[in-house]
Amino acid sequence: RKEVEQDPGPFNVPEGATVAFNCTYSNSASQSFFWYRQDCRKEPKLLMSVYSSGNEDGRFTAQLNRASQYISLLIRDSKLTDSATYHCVVLDNAGNMLTFGGGTRLMVKP
Amino acid sequence: NAGVTQTPKFRVLKTGQSMTLLCAQDMNHEYMYWYRQDPGMGLRLIHYSVGEGTTAKGEVPDGYNVSRLKKQNFLLGLESAAPSQTSVYFCASNTGTEIYGYTFGSGTRLTVV
Repeated sequence: RKEVEQDPGPFNVPEGATVAFNCTYSNSASQSFFWYRQDCRKEPKLLMSVYSSGNEDGRFTAQLNRASQYISLLIRDSKLTDSATYHCVVLDNAGNMLTFGGGTRLMVKP
Repeated sequence: NAGVTQTPKFRVLKTGQSMTLLCAQDMNHEYMYWYRQDPGMGLRLIHYSVGEGTTAKGEVPDGYNVSRLKKQNFLLGLESAAPSQTSVYFCASNTGTEIYGYTFGSGTRLTVV
């Protein structure tokens, strides 16, 4: 079983749509969780951290469910520029290593 | 402030050839990492270092060696390249104390023929 699992997509949505990505992780001792965004042929960049209480950054909302070992990302009012691959990322409990999920590809169409 | 710089950006190798990928950071970060990314997949950790003179294995270390002789540099070596090592290689660095501050380089595209 992979440590971090995501639906690879692609998710094809129209502009203005709301889209949700889910992720599960296997190590219950993991401490920190993130969503990274990666544009085509570019390096991944931090989109947002994920907290148990849920956190929001503009159109983006992230949620963590420790009991179910489940992480989500909600994007509201999708823009063309949101088209990218979104990686669910978990930091090991020693704080040394980021483990990436396989990424979920989002394509927002006019 | 260059951040994390990877050289070269592109390389084509023949099977059996060797090469070294260089990662340099100017942020005085303690931790440095080498990842590989295959098409349609996430990043997988090859090796990492938590300080000058230290290295440790990640998820997929076979076929690679690393060295961290200077704090600012982390070298990834392929002694005898194989087609299975065709990939995009990303270097990253982090302070070691701040969980949010991972900075990635722009990647090295390696093709082994």
